Amino acid sequence: EPEVTQTPSHQVTQMGQEVILRCVPISNHLYFYWYRQILGQKVEFLVSFYNNEISEKSEIFDDQFSVERPDGSNFTLKIRSTKLEDSAMYFCASSLETGNEQFFGPGTRLTVL
Amino acid sequence: KNQVEQSPQSLIILEGKNCTLQCNYTVSPFSNLRWYKQDTGRGPVSLTIMTFSENTKSNGRYTATLDADTKQSSLHITASQLSDSASYICVVSATRAAGNKLTFGGGTRVLVKP
Repeated sequence: EPEVTQTPSHQVTQMGQEVILRCVPISNHLYFYWYRQILGQKVEFLVSFYNNEISEKSEIFDDQFSVERPDGSNFTLKIRSTKLEDSAMYFCASSLETGNEQFFGPGTRLTVL
Repeated sequence: KNQVEQSPQSLIILEGKNCTLQCNYTVSPFSNLRWYKQDTGRGPVSLTIMTFSENTKSNGRYTATLDADTKQSSLHITASQLSDSASYICVVSATRAAGNKLTFGGGTRVLVKP
C-alpha cells in the first residue's frame, strides 16, 4: 500500500541553523501539505501546495519557512533560521484531490537546542 | 474563529469495554468531518470521513456519528483492544471555497488496560 515517507525521523539542530525536512508524497497525489505539532498540543496547519505553488498558508508560515518540490517526487520544508520554539513534530501529508482524504507521513521530530 | 473541541481529554478503559469520544465544532462553511487515530510519535491515520449528509459511518470496531445541525460528532469504540491505546483526533474540513482548511481538535488520549 502506498504511503507518505519523511526523512529524517529525528533532526537535532542549533538555534539559528537552517534545516530541510524532506517528504515523498504518494506518487499520484497532487496536493501536498505540511503540519506541525508542538509536544502536547494540537496539530497545526502550516501550508498547502499545488501545481508548484503555495495555495494556502497559515499565520505560522512566516518568512523563515519555505516549501519546494525540487523534482517529481520530493516535497521539502525549509526553516531558514531555527528558533527554540520551532521544536515540534512536522508532518507531511498528501491527497489526490483537494478535499479528499489526506494521508500523513510518520513525521520528523525537530529539536532545536 | 473555526474551532474543534474534544472531550474527554483522556480516558482509561478496560480491555473489551466500549467507549465514546465527543467532538464539537464551529467550523464554517462545513465540508466534512474526519476522525484520525494517532499513535505516540506517529502521523495521524484516517478512521472515517463523513460529509454533511452522513449520520453514521463504521470502520471495523470504530463507529462515528455526525449531527450537522448541532455540530457534534462522536466516535464509539466497541470491544476495545490494547492496540486501541492512542490519541483520537477529530478534524473538520472547510469547503473548497474556504480553502479546504483542516481544523484539528486537541484529541482524546485513550488508554486501554488489560
